[in-house]
Amino acid sequence: DVKVTQSSRYLVKRTGEKVFLECVQDMDHENMFWYRQDPGLGLRLIYFSYDVKMKEKGDIPEGYSVSREKKERFSLILESASTNQTSMYLCASQTSSTYEQYFGPGTRLTVT
Amino acid sequence: KNEVEQSPQNLTAQEGEFITINCSYSVGISALHWLQQHPGGGIVSLFMLSSGKKKHGRLIATINIQEKHSSLHITASHPRDSAVYICAVRSATSGSRLTFGEGTQLTVNP
Repeated sequence: DVKVTQSSRYLVKRTGEKVFLECVQDMDHENMFWYRQDPGLGLRLIYFSYDVKMKEKGDIPEGYSVSREKKERFSLILESASTNQTSMYLCASQTSSTYEQYFGPGTRLTVT
Repeated sequence: KNEVEQSPQNLTAQEGEFITINCSYSVGISALHWLQQHPGGGIVSLFMLSSGKKKHGRLIATINIQEKHSSLHITASHPRDSAVYICAVRSATSGSRLTFGEGTQLTVNP
C-alpha cells in the first residue's frame, strides 16, 4: 500500500512565523502536490513537483514556497504565516503512469 | 462557473437508501476521479474512469463523456458511508493536475 505521511496533524503558529510542513511518500512516485482545503472552496493546488528540484506553481502559490531535495520528500514553507493561511493542508503523491493520487492525512494549521 | 460542479452539496439519507451524487464538468478530460473524505481529513481514491462504468462493492461510478457528466451511486447505504465525496477531473491539457469539485457531504442516518 502507498503511504503518504505528513509531519503534523495539528499545528498552531503565530502570525509572522516561518512554518514548515513536511510530506513523505514511500512509493517512489515522481509527482507530488500540496493543496489547501477550505469550506466552500474545495481543494486548491498550491504547488506541485514532478521531479527532484523541479516545481511548478499551482493556482494559489502566493505566500508559499516549496522544496524537493529528495524524491520521497516534498516540503511546503509559509515564509511569514498570516491568519488567512489558517486551513487544512493536504499533500498527495502520484505515479505518472496511472495518475492516481494518494493523499496524506492532512495538517490542520491555525495561525493566530 | 467552476470547471467541476457537484450536486447536491449536502445529502441526508436513511440507511438502506439508494444514493446518487452528480458531477458535471466543462472541459475535455483524460480521466475523472471520485474520492472519499472521512471526518478527520484523510482522502482515499474510490474510482478513476475515462469511459463507461466501474463497480466496487456497493459503489458504482458512471461517466458520459459526450454529456460531460458522471454519477456516483451507493446502493444499500450505511451510516459508515457518511463522508464527503469529491469529484475531480484531469483535463486533456493539464498534464497530471486535477481540478476538484467542492464536494458533497453525505450523511446516512441509522
